[in-house]
Amino acid sequence: DQQVKQNSPSLSVQEGRISILNCDYTNSMFDYFLWYKKYPAEGPTFLISISSIKDKNEDGRFTVFLNKSAKHLSLHIVPSQPGDSAVYFCAASSAGGTSYGKLTFGQGTILTVHP
Amino acid sequence: ETGVTQTPRHLVMGMTNKKSLKCEQHLGHNAMYWYKQSAKKPLELMFVYNFKEQTENNSVPSRFSPECPNSSHLFLHLHTLQPEDSALYLCASSQVRQGRSPLHFGNGTRLTVT
Repeated sequence: DQQVKQNSPSLSVQEGRISILNCDYTNSMFDYFLWYKKYPAEGPTFLISISSIKDKNEDGRFTVFLNKSAKHLSLHIVPSQPGDSAVYFCAASSAGGTSYGKLTFGQGTILTVHP
Repeated sequence: ETGVTQTPRHLVMGMTNKKSLKCEQHLGHNAMYWYKQSAKKPLELMFVYNFKEQTENNSVPSRFSPECPNSSHLFLHLHTLQPEDSALYLCASSQVRQGRSPLHFGNGTRLTVT
């Protein structure tokens, strides 16, 4: 049973436009959400996170939106650049116990930004 | 060196071999993790160490044996693996504290079991 889902395996966007990557989750205990970016032959790199007490967090060109009632989050990249082409992973965690720091990942979405 | 370093980057081993993956973090973190990424699957947590103590074993077969001698080093000892264990093995670290901090990943070891 996959608790974090990224239903779009891939997304193609023109340079300068907005990229919107989506993620859904089923576990209502999740209260901290993250986005990672991964280039080939490298490990995932942390991009941006959001706590469940917020509905938006912005960092430069990257904004994450959280809709707790819909159990949905999205990552907006504006403007998109060719260097943003990578696999993007959504991840979630819940507080407490020995699971502190444990992340549950989605399958990833391959973003391609065309010049 | 900075960040999280994993060696080797690539490893090919037979099913009867014994090998070890090494991870070292230079971030001063107090928790370390092993994750596995198989083709077409999400990253799966294998083991968690907080302050050198194993706090999570995510139903991993005993042919994978972790070791955490101190908060900066983490090993994954491999023996009698199966071809389906071929995957990318990622080490990560974080600072466990009140409030959350993200995991920082190494570049992984690409393991092929023949």
